[in-house]
Amino acid sequence: YVVTQPPSVSVAPGETARIPCGGNNIGSKTVHWYKQKPGQAPSLVIFYDSDRPSGIPERFSGSNSGNTATLTINRVEAGDEADYYCQVWDDISDQFVFGTGSTVSVL
Amino acid sequence: QVQLVETGGRVVQPGRSLRVSCAASGFTFGSYGMHWVRQAPGKGPEWVAVMWFDDNKKKYADSVKGRFTISGDSSKNILVLQMNSLRVEDTALYYCARASGGGNTAFFDSWGQGTLVSVSP
Repeated sequence: YVVTQPPSVSVAPGETARIPCGGNNIGSKTVHWYKQKPGQAPSLVIFYDSDRPSGIPERFSGSNSGNTATLTINRVEAGDEADYYCQVWDDISDQFVFGTGSTVSVL
Repeated sequence: QVQLVETGGRVVQPGRSLRVSCAASGFTFGSYGMHWVRQAPGKGPEWVAVMWFDDNKKKYADSVKGRFTISGDSSKNILVLQMNSLRVEDTALYYCARASGGGNTAFFDSWGQGTLVSVSP
């Protein structure tokens, strides 16, 4: 199962970043999102498509429908610059799969 | 607080074996699915293996099936990855990760800082 993300997403401070995660009928799967800064381990920002772990700002939200899941970051801040990865379980291959990753740059 | 500390990574020649470990603390180790996730330099994360202690069930990525073995001791809060027949493409930072949520909808809510495995002639 292939999960595709755009390599880069650029956004001005205060604007909205939308990071797509594409896969065949991904809407039927459960999607999780991770943020990774250089030199750090990934950390969870969204689970079960749209739930936020404690400590994650409300600016972060998720949705999942059809062939695309989306991580949305409202009122983007400089500290949001990072790589973002989506993750699903593929029942056909019986394996966990990460998306190709998107680098968010704050202009 | 949850803490995961990986050890054992080093430089090893292709075809050789290596064992990496993860020491866990701050939570009931045997109640979670425990995973290994690796990340090659400049690449995204790649799931490697999972072990559930309650039923001793294990799963592996196709890229490591038959070469890697995940194991652990819930009484000592230790997770182990035995890696045999190592290849250059196994070079990566190996993370230990705790998974919450049910089975196939599980998500990785805690990660260690990783241990670096470098496979080089």
